[in-house]
Amino acid sequence: DIVMTQSQKFMSTSVGDRVSVTCKASQNVGTNVAWYQQKPGQSPKALIYSASYRYSGVPDRFTGSGSGTDFTLTISNVQSEDLAEYFCQQYNSYPLTFGAGTKLELK
Amino acid sequence: DVQLQESGPGLVKPSQSLSLTCTVTGYSITSDYAWNWIRQFPGNKLEWMGYISYSGSTSYNPSLKSRISITRDTSKNQFFLQLNSVTTEDTATYYCARRGITTGAMDYWGQGTSVTVSS
Repeated sequence: DIVMTQSQKFMSTSVGDRVSVTCKASQNVGTNVAWYQQKPGQSPKALIYSASYRYSGVPDRFTGSGSGTDFTLTISNVQSEDLAEYFCQQYNSYPLTFGAGTKLELK
Repeated sequence: DVQLQESGPGLVKPSQSLSLTCTVTGYSITSDYAWNWIRQFPGNKLEWMGYISYSGSTSYNPSLKSRISITRDTSKNQFFLQLNSVTTEDTATYYCARRGITTGAMDYWGQGTSVTVSS
């Protein structure tokens, strides 16, 4: 199975900051990576597919980048509603696998 | 708008079978996409369990071995999860989700249903 490693379980930020959440794949997955946002008590919400394409309705302060094994979700001008947990997921091969998540918190 | 809704018992006894239903509205499950089950354990780890495609083909996570089955009722626009021989390790929130065949990401999710395995 491909392991998706999000090395930071928690990240502290302030409103207005720029923050980058990272995800590393255990083998080359091309650009077959998605990012999700999950708030407490809610289901995950898709933000990014194919590593860098935003879903319709996702604010442009969310940017995905990377290919191969290293991926980044960057949130520019962090808003209070962005405080949530973020997961990466690979769909290059089965079984589909997720990162362990990174929680974005206020400093 | 596409909506998915999970339903099923919230409590299952060890060694029994877990059965859940995902009812889809706003899109036909036979038109396109893969229709998935994902679970989230306490502590928030996500595990993809498997899918049934618009054509009826299935794929499962090998970690679930022969315990899992995903089927559908096209007349009701529903698909189902059955997980046999459950243990306390299967306690989780279970989600159904739509996944693009080409994009590969889950673009619509149900709200999730919590299942506890306990005697």
